[in-house]
Amino acid sequence: QQQVKQSPQSLIVQKGGISIINCAYENTAFDYFPWYQQFPGKGPALLIAIRPDVSEKKEGRFTISFNKSAKQFSLHIMDSQPGDSATYFCAASREDSSYKLIFGSGTRLLVRP
Amino acid sequence: DTAVSQTPKYLVTQMGNDKSIKCEQNLGHDTMYWYKQDSKKFLKIMFSYNNKELIINETVPNRFSPKSPDKAHLNLHINSLELGDSAVYFCASSHEGGGLRRHTFGSGTRLTVV
Repeated sequence: QQQVKQSPQSLIVQKGGISIINCAYENTAFDYFPWYQQFPGKGPALLIAIRPDVSEKKEGRFTISFNKSAKQFSLHIMDSQPGDSATYFCAASREDSSYKLIFGSGTRLLVRP
Repeated sequence: DTAVSQTPKYLVTQMGNDKSIKCEQNLGHDTMYWYKQDSKKFLKIMFSYNNKELIINETVPNRFSPKSPDKAHLNLHINSLELGDSAVYFCASSHEGGGLRRHTFGSGTRLTVV
């Protein structure tokens, strides 16, 4: 049973374009939704995170949109750059489970120059 | 000055052997974790420790035994290694900050069982 579903599996975007990655979750008890960026040979690194009491959070070129009623959240990367090429993971967790992260299956993003 | 450091980075060993992976964090975080990333890049929690106490054990075979000698260290010992144990193992730590619990991951240990 996959608690966090992520799509697409891979994404190719031209430099300057917008990259959009979507996630859906099942457990309404989740109260923390981070996005992680992973480069080859490295560990995941926290990119941006949101709590369900907020519908949108923006940090630089990265924005999370959160739809609580639909149990969906998405990552938007504006003005995508070749250096953004990496694997992106959405995740979810809840306070009463010691914040263990339940990850989506990942999206491999390639930004073409 | 690495925040979460794991050793070794690479580990190649034969089936049936016993091996350990070490993890240390210098961030002062109160919770540490082990995650496993399989060949399809899927990341899954294995264990979590809070202040040296085991709080999560995600139905991992008992060949895997975590040990936390202190709040800054969480080691993983694996007995009788099997081919299916081949994966990248990530140590992580977390703390509460700004109303969010922030996880910091190490760079991983790539375990290959032959």
